[in-house]
Formats: sequence, structure tokens, C-alpha cells
Amino acid sequence: EVQLVESGGGSVPPGGSLRLSCAASGFSFSTYSLNWVRQAPGKGLEWVSHITGSSATTFYADSVRGRFTISRDNAKNSLYLQMNGLRAEDTAVYYCARDLGDSYALDYWGQGALVTVSS
Amino acid sequence: EIVLTQSPGTLSLSPGERATLSCRASQSVSSTYLVWYQQKPGQAPRLLIYGASSRATGIPDRFSGSGSGTDFTLTISRLEPEDVAVYYCQQYVGSPRGLTFGGGTKVEIK
Repeated sequence: EVQLVESGGGSVPPGGSLRLSCAASGFSFSTYSLNWVRQAPGKGLEWVSHITGSSATTFYADSVRGRFTISRDNAKNSLYLQMNGLRAEDTAVYYCARDLGDSYALDYWGQGALVTVSS
Repeated sequence: EIVLTQSPGTLSLSPGERATLSCRASQSVSSTYLVWYQQKPGQAPRLLIYGASSRATGIPDRFSGSGSGTDFTLTISRLEPEDVAVYYCQQYVGSPRGLTFGGGTKVEIK
């Protein structure tokens, strides 16, 4: 069974940093691209970042580029999101999600981790 | 920049009725990368349709997708109470811009 479990969420003041983790199981981790998607309270979905299986390619939403860094450790079946320079508008539930394949459809999602940026 | 506009914002129908949800792109996009998700309250999104018209594993056949170019449609042929959710469309807009989501359509039961 495919499982994605996020951790590392919490409350942080503006300008602070946080690192999210996503532990994966039930599939061949290194062969799949992964994404982070966020959802502000009561709002819609916003894609944040993407990383290929080998980590050769990463890309970011304009809203987080230069502040957030996506990475993965295929030996640990884990995905990460390092978030620096956090702003109030970064407050959201952050989901990790697996890419189905060439269609960029996200077929498995974690339960989400809440990040709150507030003084 | 490609923008996806979903309509209507809210759809209120009776059980058994047909639901038609629209996703319009600001410029022509590839149907290969047009995806639909369902999100129920308090849950993570669930993949429904990919490649504009292919149902994901385990999705009931009352859900179907169609469209091309700038206009895409998700149809629920016979609405059931468990279909109450927000539905999002998503498109891959190329590296480095990645993915973009529509604003969502909320489906309610009368």
C-alpha cells in the first residue's frame, strides 16, 4: 500500500525557517517524481515544488522560488521541503504528492502538515 | 502565464442529476496534462481524471472527463450524496513553472 506521511509542521514567526519531511512507503521511491502542494485555510490548492526521481530537476512556484528548497533522500525514502524566510501568506496545510508519471497527475497524497506563520 | 478558470463556483443539484463542471484555460493547453481532483472536507485531494479523459484507478464510471484546447469538462452522470466535495482542475504548464490549479467548483446536494 502506498503511503506518504508528512511531518515537521508547526508554528513559526515571520522570517523564520521550518523543514517539512515526507516519509514514503509501498512503492519504488526513487523511480517517481514528487511534489509539494499547499492549501491555505479555506482556500484552494497551490502547487509549490516538484523534484524528479534522481533529483536532477527541480522547479518551484514563483511565490516560493528563492526561499524554499525541495530535496529527497532515496536511501531513506524521504522527501523534504526546507522553508526559509517564511511569511504570513505561507500559512497552509502542506501536502506531499506522488507523480503518476508522464501526465503530471498526482495519484497519491499525504494527510498534510499544517504550517502557521504568525508573530 | 496560463490561468485555469473553473465554473460555476458552486453547483447545487439533487441526487441522480447530472453535474457538469467547466475548466477553461487562458490559452490552448495540452489535454495530456489536464487533470481533475476531488477533495472532500477535511481530506487530501483524490485523483479522478488524468489526460483529460482517463479515469484513475478505482474511480466510478459515473465520473468522466472531456475537452481539448481551452475548454475541459468533468461530468458526474448521476450525482450521489458522497460526491459532495470541491473539484479542482490542474494543468502542467512546463518547466520551470510547473503545475497550476483552477480555483475549484464546490458541489452540493439539494
